[in-house]
Amino acid sequence: GQQVMQIPQYQHVQEGEDFTTYCNSSTTLSNIQWYKQRPGGHPVFLIQLVKSGEVKKQKRLTFQFGEAKKNSSLHITATQTTDVGTYFCAGRGGSNYKLTFGKGTLLTVNP
Amino acid sequence: GAVVSQHPSWVICKSGTSVKIECRSLDFQATTMFWYRQFPKQSLMLMATSNEGSKATYEQGVEKDKFLINHASLTLSTLTVTSAHPEDSSFYICSADITHGDSPLHFGNGTRLTVT
Repeated sequence: GQQVMQIPQYQHVQEGEDFTTYCNSSTTLSNIQWYKQRPGGHPVFLIQLVKSGEVKKQKRLTFQFGEAKKNSSLHITATQTTDVGTYFCAGRGGSNYKLTFGKGTLLTVNP
Repeated sequence: GAVVSQHPSWVICKSGTSVKIECRSLDFQATTMFWYRQFPKQSLMLMATSNEGSKATYEQGVEKDKFLINHASLTLSTLTVTSAHPEDSSFYICSADITHGDSPLHFGNGTRLTVT
């Protein structure tokens, strides 16, 4: 079945440093979504990427979808303490409408 | 818009009892609802997919007789954990999908189940 690998599992940074998390799918995806889950909370939708090579920005966050639509990344510039949480990628493949989640990257930021 | 309400937020029950968790879409009709389980510091694992008016589709390894799912209307799905055991203690989250394939999932706040 479809698998989505996400690295790193944990990332601790100093406030102001950049942060990147990467996702790689075993199969070509129709779209990929990114979610953020704060400690004790539920996942909150951040963005969806659909097109090959797509790049989207939300303030300090930059999302990329690979040309082959099998990998994606989330980059945060100049992290802040409010960025703390677990970031999940989730991919949909072909006609399968189910989302497969990566294991997530837990980001902690030292003020 | 697209609010999903999940109830209860937390529940503590004794081993052997059953617990029902409700998931409601408040301002839209959810053709499909998904139930996930999340262990501490782990990812979301899909348990089952429920479609209104039909039987739920369970993921491999999930016991359908233990985790009963009912999707009686376009705005309500329920998950009943039957004969709960301590190993069932987890964070259960529902999500709703308005359309297949193109829309993001809208998650409920989750239910933290502790079985003593």
